[in-house]
Amino acid sequence: SQQGEEDPQALSIQEGENATMNCSYKTSINNLQWYRQNSGRGLVHLILIRSNEREKHSGRLRVTLDTSKKSSSLLITASRAADTASYFCATLDYGGSQGNLIFGKGTKLSVKP
Amino acid sequence: EPEVTQTPSHQVTQMGQEVILRCVPISNHLYFYWYRQILGQKVEFLVSFYNNEISEKSEIFDDQFSVERPDGSNFTLKIRSTKLEDSAMYFCASSVTGSGLPGANVLTFGAGSRLTVL
Repeated sequence: SQQGEEDPQALSIQEGENATMNCSYKTSINNLQWYRQNSGRGLVHLILIRSNEREKHSGRLRVTLDTSKKSSSLLITASRAADTASYFCATLDYGGSQGNLIFGKGTKLSVKP
Repeated sequence: EPEVTQTPSHQVTQMGQEVILRCVPISNHLYFYWYRQILGQKVEFLVSFYNNEISEKSEIFDDQFSVERPDGSNFTLKIRSTKLEDSAMYFCASSVTGSGLPGANVLTFGAGSRLTVL
Protein backbone atom coordinates (compact mmCIF):
# COMPACT_ATOMS: atom_id res chain seq x y z
CA SER A 1 0.00 0.00 0.00
CA GLN A 2 1.13 3.55 -0.60
CA GLN A 3 1.02 4.92 2.91
CA GLY A 4 1.83 8.51 3.66
CA GLU A 5 1.46 10.14 0.26
CA GLU A 6 2.16 13.84 0.36
CA ASP A 7 0.91 16.48 -1.98
CA PRO A 8 1.92 18.59 -3.62
CA GLN A 9 5.18 16.94 -4.67
CA ALA A 10 6.75 20.37 -5.00
CA LEU A 11 5.77 23.80 -3.73
CA SER A 12 7.40 27.13 -4.48
CA ILE A 13 6.42 30.24 -2.53
CA GLN A 14 7.74 33.66 -1.57
CA GLU A 15 9.18 34.42 1.83
CA GLY A 16 6.43 35.50 4.22
CA GLU A 17 3.75 33.38 2.60
CA ASN A 18 2.21 30.32 4.24
CA ALA A 19 2.99 26.83 2.99
CA THR A 20 0.51 23.98 3.28
CA MET A 21 1.42 20.37 2.65
CA ASN A 22 -0.96 17.44 2.80
CA CYS A 23 -0.52 13.78 3.60
CA SER A 24 -2.87 10.85 3.11
CA TYR A 25 -2.53 7.38 4.52
CA LYS A 26 -4.41 4.11 4.33
CA THR A 27 -4.19 2.24 7.62
CA SER A 28 -5.22 2.83 11.23
CA ILE A 29 -2.45 4.71 12.93
CA ASN A 30 -1.02 5.21 16.38
CA ASN A 31 0.49 8.55 15.47
CA LEU A 32 1.58 10.65 12.52
CA GLN A 33 4.78 12.62 12.41
CA TRP A 34 6.28 15.23 10.15
CA TYR A 35 9.99 15.30 9.37
CA ARG A 36 12.11 17.75 7.46
CA GLN A 37 15.13 16.93 5.32
CA ASN A 38 17.57 19.46 4.03
CA SER A 39 19.24 18.47 0.79
CA GLY A 40 21.66 15.58 1.34
CA ARG A 41 21.11 15.50 5.08
CA GLY A 42 19.25 13.41 7.62
CA LEU A 43 15.65 13.78 8.67
CA VAL A 44 14.75 16.06 11.53
CA HIS A 45 11.63 15.43 13.57
CA LEU A 46 9.27 18.41 13.55
CA ILE A 47 6.06 17.40 15.23
CA LEU A 48 4.03 14.36 16.28
CA ILE A 49 0.27 14.16 16.46
CA ARG A 50 -1.46 11.23 18.12
CA SER A 51 -4.46 9.51 16.58
CA ASN A 52 -6.78 10.99 19.22
CA GLU A 53 -5.61 14.55 18.57
CA ARG A 54 -7.00 16.83 15.88
CA GLU A 55 -4.61 19.76 15.86
CA LYS A 56 -1.22 20.61 17.23
CA HIS A 57 0.98 23.68 17.15
CA SER A 58 4.70 24.15 17.48
CA GLY A 59 6.07 27.62 16.79
CA ARG A 60 5.23 28.44 13.16
CA LEU A 61 4.02 24.89 12.51
CA ARG A 62 0.44 23.77 12.66
CA VAL A 63 -0.53 20.16 12.07
CA THR A 64 -4.04 18.82 11.68
CA LEU A 65 -5.17 15.24 11.61
CA ASP A 66 -8.47 13.91 10.27
CA THR A 67 -8.61 10.20 11.00
CA SER A 68 -11.99 9.84 9.27
CA LYS A 69 -10.41 11.01 6.03
CA LYS A 70 -7.03 9.48 6.87
CA SER A 71 -5.28 12.73 6.13
CA SER A 72 -3.05 15.30 7.75
CA SER A 73 -1.82 18.73 6.83
CA LEU A 74 1.26 20.69 7.81
CA LEU A 75 1.04 24.47 7.70
CA ILE A 76 4.16 26.59 7.95
CA THR A 77 3.24 30.20 8.58
CA ALA A 78 5.32 33.22 7.59
CA SER A 79 7.80 31.07 5.70
CA ARG A 80 11.49 31.91 5.53
CA ALA A 81 14.15 31.02 2.98
CA ALA A 82 15.62 28.70 5.64
CA ASP A 83 12.43 26.60 5.51
CA THR A 84 13.50 25.39 2.07
CA ALA A 85 13.68 21.60 2.44
CA SER A 86 11.73 18.42 1.78
CA TYR A 87 8.97 17.60 4.24
CA PHE A 88 7.83 14.05 4.92
CA CYS A 89 4.94 12.64 6.83
CA ALA A 90 5.47 9.33 8.55
CA THR A 91 2.92 7.09 10.19
CA LEU A 92 3.19 4.52 12.90
CA ASP A 93 0.53 1.89 12.40
CA TYR A 94 -1.83 1.13 15.27
CA GLY A 95 -0.22 -1.82 16.98
CA GLY A 96 2.91 -1.28 14.93
CA SER A 97 6.22 -2.23 16.41
CA GLN A 98 8.83 0.22 17.47
CA GLY A 99 10.28 2.50 14.89
CA ASN A 100 8.67 1.03 11.82
CA LEU A 101 7.60 4.37 10.45
CA ILE A 102 6.14 4.46 6.99
CA PHE A 103 7.27 7.54 5.11
CA GLY A 104 5.75 9.25 2.14
CA LYS A 105 7.71 10.55 -0.83
CA GLY A 106 7.74 14.07 0.54
CA THR A 107 6.94 17.58 -0.55
CA LYS A 108 9.86 19.65 -1.78
CA LEU A 109 9.35 23.20 -0.51
CA SER A 110 11.23 26.10 -2.01
CA VAL A 111 10.94 29.48 -0.31
CA LYS A 112 12.27 32.34 -2.38
CA PRO A 113 13.66 35.39 -0.61
CA GLU B 1 22.08 18.97 21.37
CA PRO B 2 22.73 15.21 21.29
CA GLU B 3 23.00 13.75 17.84
CA VAL B 4 23.30 10.46 16.02
CA THR B 5 26.65 10.14 14.30
CA GLN B 6 27.21 8.06 11.17
CA THR B 7 30.38 7.03 9.40
CA PRO B 8 31.44 7.03 6.65
CA SER B 9 29.54 9.86 5.06
CA HIS B 10 30.17 8.37 1.64
CA GLN B 11 31.44 4.96 0.60
CA VAL B 12 32.10 3.70 -2.89
CA THR B 13 32.45 -0.03 -3.32
CA GLN B 14 32.58 -2.67 -6.01
CA MET B 15 29.66 -5.05 -6.50
CA GLY B 16 30.09 -8.16 -4.39
CA GLN B 17 32.17 -6.45 -1.71
CA GLU B 18 31.18 -6.28 1.95
CA VAL B 19 30.36 -2.93 3.50
CA ILE B 20 29.98 -1.93 7.12
CA LEU B 21 28.18 1.26 7.99
CA ARG B 22 28.63 2.59 11.50
CA CYS B 23 26.43 4.60 13.79
CA VAL B 24 26.72 6.01 17.28
CA PRO B 25 23.19 6.51 18.63
CA ILE B 26 22.28 8.98 21.34
CA SER B 27 23.57 7.61 24.60
CA ASN B 28 20.32 7.28 26.57
CA HIS B 29 18.31 5.94 23.67
CA LEU B 30 17.23 2.32 23.80
CA TYR B 31 15.88 1.64 20.32
CA PHE B 32 17.95 1.72 17.17
CA TYR B 33 16.98 1.62 13.52
CA TRP B 34 18.29 1.56 10.01
CA TYR B 35 16.41 3.14 7.13
CA ARG B 36 17.45 3.67 3.55
CA GLN B 37 16.55 6.14 0.84
CA ILE B 38 17.22 5.38 -2.78
CA LEU B 39 17.78 8.61 -4.68
CA GLY B 40 14.49 10.40 -5.25
CA GLN B 41 12.44 7.73 -3.55
CA LYS B 42 10.81 7.12 -0.19
CA VAL B 43 12.63 6.59 3.06
CA GLU B 44 12.22 2.87 3.77
CA PHE B 45 12.42 1.00 7.05
CA LEU B 46 15.02 -1.76 7.18
CA VAL B 47 15.31 -2.95 10.76
CA SER B 48 14.75 -2.08 14.40
CA PHE B 49 16.93 -3.25 17.27
CA TYR B 50 16.26 -3.34 20.98
CA ASN B 51 17.86 -5.11 23.90
CA ASN B 52 20.60 -6.49 21.68
CA GLU B 53 18.34 -8.19 19.21
CA ILE B 54 16.34 -7.44 16.10
CA SER B 55 12.78 -6.39 16.94
CA GLU B 56 11.45 -6.15 13.43
CA LYS B 57 12.80 -6.22 9.92
CA SER B 58 11.33 -5.40 6.55
CA GLU B 59 11.32 -7.48 3.38
CA ILE B 60 14.31 -5.47 2.19
CA PHE B 61 16.39 -6.73 5.12
CA ASP B 62 17.27 -10.11 3.67
CA ASP B 63 20.13 -12.47 4.45
CA GLN B 64 22.76 -10.17 2.98
CA PHE B 65 22.08 -7.65 5.74
CA SER B 66 22.99 -7.91 9.40
CA VAL B 67 23.15 -5.56 12.36
CA GLU B 68 24.99 -5.67 15.61
CA ARG B 69 25.91 -3.56 18.58
CA PRO B 70 29.42 -4.83 19.22
CA ASP B 71 30.51 -2.62 22.09
CA GLY B 72 27.52 -0.97 23.71
CA SER B 73 27.90 2.27 21.79
CA ASN B 74 28.32 1.55 18.09
CA PHE B 75 25.47 0.15 16.01
CA THR B 76 26.52 -1.30 12.69
CA LEU B 77 24.85 -2.35 9.46
CA LYS B 78 26.71 -4.91 7.40
CA ILE B 79 25.89 -5.63 3.79
CA ARG B 80 27.61 -8.87 2.92
CA SER B 81 27.76 -8.90 -0.86
CA THR B 82 26.69 -5.58 -2.28
CA LYS B 83 24.56 -5.28 -5.38
CA LEU B 84 24.05 -2.31 -7.66
CA GLU B 85 20.56 -1.80 -6.24
CA ASP B 86 21.99 -1.36 -2.74
CA SER B 87 23.18 2.09 -3.78
CA ALA B 88 21.29 4.44 -1.48
CA MET B 89 21.57 6.75 1.48
CA TYR B 90 21.46 4.71 4.68
CA PHE B 91 20.17 6.43 7.77
CA CYS B 92 20.65 5.30 11.32
CA ALA B 93 18.16 6.50 13.90
CA SER B 94 17.48 6.03 17.57
CA SER B 95 14.65 6.70 19.97
CA VAL B 96 14.08 6.69 23.69
CA THR B 97 10.77 4.89 23.62
CA GLY B 98 9.19 2.21 21.55
CA SER B 99 5.60 1.69 20.55
CA GLY B 100 2.73 1.83 23.00
CA LEU B 101 4.17 4.68 25.01
CA PRO B 102 3.26 8.39 24.84
CA GLY B 103 5.20 10.11 22.09
CA ALA B 104 6.35 6.74 20.90
CA ASN B 105 8.82 6.41 18.13
CA VAL B 106 10.09 9.94 17.78
CA LEU B 107 13.24 9.18 15.90
CA THR B 108 16.48 11.11 15.84
CA PHE B 109 18.24 10.48 12.55
CA GLY B 110 21.86 10.70 11.65
CA ALA B 111 23.06 12.60 8.58
CA GLY B 112 23.31 9.38 6.60
CA SER B 113 25.92 7.29 4.82
CA ARG B 114 25.77 7.42 1.06
CA LEU B 115 26.64 4.05 -0.45
CA THR B 116 27.55 3.84 -4.10
CA VAL B 117 27.96 0.36 -5.57
CA LEU B 118 29.79 0.19 -8.90
